[in-house]
Amino acid sequence: QAQLVQSGAEVKKPGASVKVSCKASGYTFTNYGISWVRQAPGQGLEWLGWNGPHNGNRDYAQKFQGRVTMTTDTSTSTAYMELRSLRSDDTAVYYCAGRVLYGMDVWGQGTTVTVSS
Amino acid sequence: DVVMTQSPLSLPVTPGEPAAISCKSNQSLLHSNGYNYLDWYVQKPGKSPQLLIYLNSNRASGVPDRFSVSGSGTHFTLKISRVEAEDVGVYYCMQALQTPPTFGGGTKVEIK
Repeated sequence: QAQLVQSGAEVKKPGASVKVSCKASGYTFTNYGISWVRQAPGQGLEWLGWNGPHNGNRDYAQKFQGRVTMTTDTSTSTAYMELRSLRSDDTAVYYCAGRVLYGMDVWGQGTTVTVSS
Repeated sequence: DVVMTQSPLSLPVTPGEPAAISCKSNQSLLHSNGYNYLDWYVQKPGKSPQLLIYLNSNRASGVPDRFSVSGSGTHFTLKISRVEAEDVGVYYCMQALQTPPTFGGGTKVEIK
């Protein structure tokens, strides 16, 4: 059974960085890569970007260019998303999502990132 | 970026009755290959989003056939033929034609 398991909640101060991990199991992780989506409190879904399975291809939303880095460790089937220069409006639940058959058909449980002084 | 607009914001429904959610895009989602690059996700209370429908009309694994989508180009409708209690949640449409993928604002389906 395809599964993505994310790292635990984080509390960061403004200006700091956060790195969230996402470990895949039960499917061929290296086929399609991982997308990252976030959800601010009480808000909708926002796509941050996608990282291909071998770190050769990646695509970031323009809004996060220069502040986000997505990487993949294929040896451990783990994807990472680092967001730098955190602001209070980066407070959100961050999800990783992968593809087994189509689109984003497997999701992690979410990682709550709280940015507060 | 492609702008996705959903309505209504909230949809109270009676179990056994039908429900419909509208999703509009400001650009056509119809690819030259004939597919509309529109997906639907549902986020049930306290859970992560899950894929419901992909490429406009294909139900994801395990999705019952009471869910269907009509429309093409810029206007789409997700239909639930007979709402069940387990269908409560927030439904999002998402365009997958252009990067970045963009989501509608969501429609909250709740039981009356």
